[in-house]
Amino acid sequence: KNQVEQSPQSLIILEGKNCTLQCNYTVSPFSNLRWYKQDTGRGPVSLTIMTFSENTKSNGRYTATLDADTKQSSLHITASQLSDSASYICVVIDRGSTLGRLYFGRGTQLTVWP
Amino acid sequence: DADVTQTPRNRITKTGKRIMLECSQTKGHDRMYWYRQDPGLGLRLIYYSFDVKDINKGEISDGYSVSRQAQAKFSLSLESAIPNQTALYFCATSDGQGPPYNEQFFGPGTRLTVL
Repeated sequence: KNQVEQSPQSLIILEGKNCTLQCNYTVSPFSNLRWYKQDTGRGPVSLTIMTFSENTKSNGRYTATLDADTKQSSLHITASQLSDSASYICVVIDRGSTLGRLYFGRGTQLTVWP
Repeated sequence: DADVTQTPRNRITKTGKRIMLECSQTKGHDRMYWYRQDPGLGLRLIYYSFDVKDINKGEISDGYSVSRQAQAKFSLSLESAIPNQTALYFCATSDGQGPPYNEQFFGPGTRLTVL
């Protein structure tokens, strides 16, 4: 069964600190993996996209890693800011259909305190 | 202006009522999608459309119907709303160029409450 599991479910950190969010998946055949940021009451916005051959991708203070062998990804946030408070969703796309089916994790709710 | 817009943003209705949620996009994308999001769960696909003449069911289409009025417009209808359809609904679009970069762009969401 194709699944995407994220941990932790929620996380609280102080402003300026770093944090790492985890994503494990069983989706096969794998096409690409994305991290989305979803602010409260808003739609998800893409942060990074990685294909099978990419093992790291950065977008400002966000750095995603991918280990396609172990089917794990992480999102590292450096020098957190209050505006980083949001839900971070890991999305895995299969290549086994013309739809390019998206499998969504449940998200990690990050809260950054001043 | 936002590339993907949804109306209404919030709606409260009663059991048995017919509800339509609308989505418009200015990105020029052919592909459009409707998802629902429930607290603590991942987004789930309701319906998707690859062009005006193409409509497909997603994983949770029961109780919903859609209409693709034009390339830029995709509406979701609840023929007879029930309380367990209370959720946050998202429309998304993509240009179909992929995989691997078949990125989806999401609207701001519609919060629907069925009493």
